Amino acid sequence: NAGVTQTPKFRVLKTGQSMTLLCAQDMNHEYMYWYRQDPGMGLRLIHYSVGEGTTAKGEVPDGYNVSRLKKQNFLLGLESAAPSQTSVYFCASSWMGYGYTFGSGTRLTVV
Amino acid sequence: DQQVKQNSPSLSVQEGRISILNCDYTNSMFDYFLWYKKYPAEGPTFLISISSIKDKNEDGRFTVFLNKSAKHLSLHIVPSQPGDSAVYFCAASAGGSSNTGKLIFGQGTTLQVKP
Repeated sequence: NAGVTQTPKFRVLKTGQSMTLLCAQDMNHEYMYWYRQDPGMGLRLIHYSVGEGTTAKGEVPDGYNVSRLKKQNFLLGLESAAPSQTSVYFCASSWMGYGYTFGSGTRLTVV
Repeated sequence: DQQVKQNSPSLSVQEGRISILNCDYTNSMFDYFLWYKKYPAEGPTFLISISSIKDKNEDGRFTVFLNKSAKHLSLHIVPSQPGDSAVYFCAASAGGSSNTGKLIFGQGTTLQVKP
């Protein structure tokens, strides 16, 4: 029973490089979310999706793009990484807005 | 503009005593409140929640109180145990017919329970 799986767990990028973070859930949840956690800021919503093929902006969407081509996967992309995107990224899924399950996080450092 | 605030970054209590974690919010549209617990190198895990139609919800050692007029909620842990040492996040959502499950989180409070 995997729940929500995030890959990779750690990554170091150089400024300007691009990468994609993958989130996969096996609970058949409709809704999926990407948050970032920064010291003293709590968790802030980047983008979210309420179903396959749909995405929407959260609180801090700038510099990120997302795609939800399959119900079980939610991808977060950084087109041109910046040091301000150094953070811990958490993916979560929920059943129609309830019963959130989080992944274990991806620690990203941009140098 | 921080809609959900946890003004105490840290709290230290003795094992067996009560831990009280506080949370304030500004958005009157919030109607569902949750507490999450987070250990290092792990994702947050759900602890307890409360709907705006209630003022108290209990689950074992954990009780959440909601004061809507003050826009304030608190989490009580009694008795506190060393295994409760973690970061606690307060979160809120505005549900209704268009509920998307978006949660707005507070900054977190680090609880240390000393043996």
